[in-house]
Amino acid sequence: AQSVAQPEDQVNVAEGNPLTVKCTYSVSGNPYLFWYVQYPNRGLQFLLKYITGDNLVKGSYGFEAEFNKSQTSFHLKKPSALVSDSALYFCAVRGSSSASKIIFGSGTRLSIRP
Amino acid sequence: DTAVSQTPKYLVTQMGNDKSIKCEQNLGHDTMYWYKQDSKKFLKIMFSYNNKELIINETVPNRFSPKSPDKAHLNLHINSLELGDSAVYFCASSRDSNQPQHFGDGTRLSIL
Repeated sequence: AQSVAQPEDQVNVAEGNPLTVKCTYSVSGNPYLFWYVQYPNRGLQFLLKYITGDNLVKGSYGFEAEFNKSQTSFHLKKPSALVSDSALYFCAVRGSSSASKIIFGSGTRLSIRP
Repeated sequence: DTAVSQTPKYLVTQMGNDKSIKCEQNLGHDTMYWYKQDSKKFLKIMFSYNNKELIINETVPNRFSPKSPDKAHLNLHINSLELGDSAVYFCASSRDSNQPQHFGDGTRLSIL
């Protein structure tokens, strides 16, 4: 069975510091991995994805994520956090079979203090 | 030029009523979805359509019935609304099921 875990409900970081939001997954076959961000009263917005290729994926707003197959992880990172990065972040995974459906993690609230 | 639009944005109604939420996308995508986000922000897929055909139908009460009149529209009809149906419902679309999804801004359903 597929699953995705975001072990931290909340991550607090000072502006200018690096940030990491963790995600681990379990899926049959090769994973399709995604990160989305949700601002208050808005729908989710796509940040980045991994399907194949380089393990380090760069996305919108300076975010990047590293696919680690041995650790089944896909952590979201940014070298220098901005206050405007404060939002709810979702990791999502889908297996490569046609019958697979997308599953979202429980979300991590990122709070950047000035 | 909103990519995925849902109406209404807010829906307040009484238990037992029937209501519909409409969704339209102007991105030319083949796949559309309905999600439910509860008060703890958990997001769960309910339905997925590809080219007007149902491809994912999660364990959702049969009071919920999606309808796709064409590729650009996926509406959600809910019969006999219950208190537990209170949530934010999101529509989304993607080029295919492997591609990133574009979400609408949600319909906030409150059952009195």
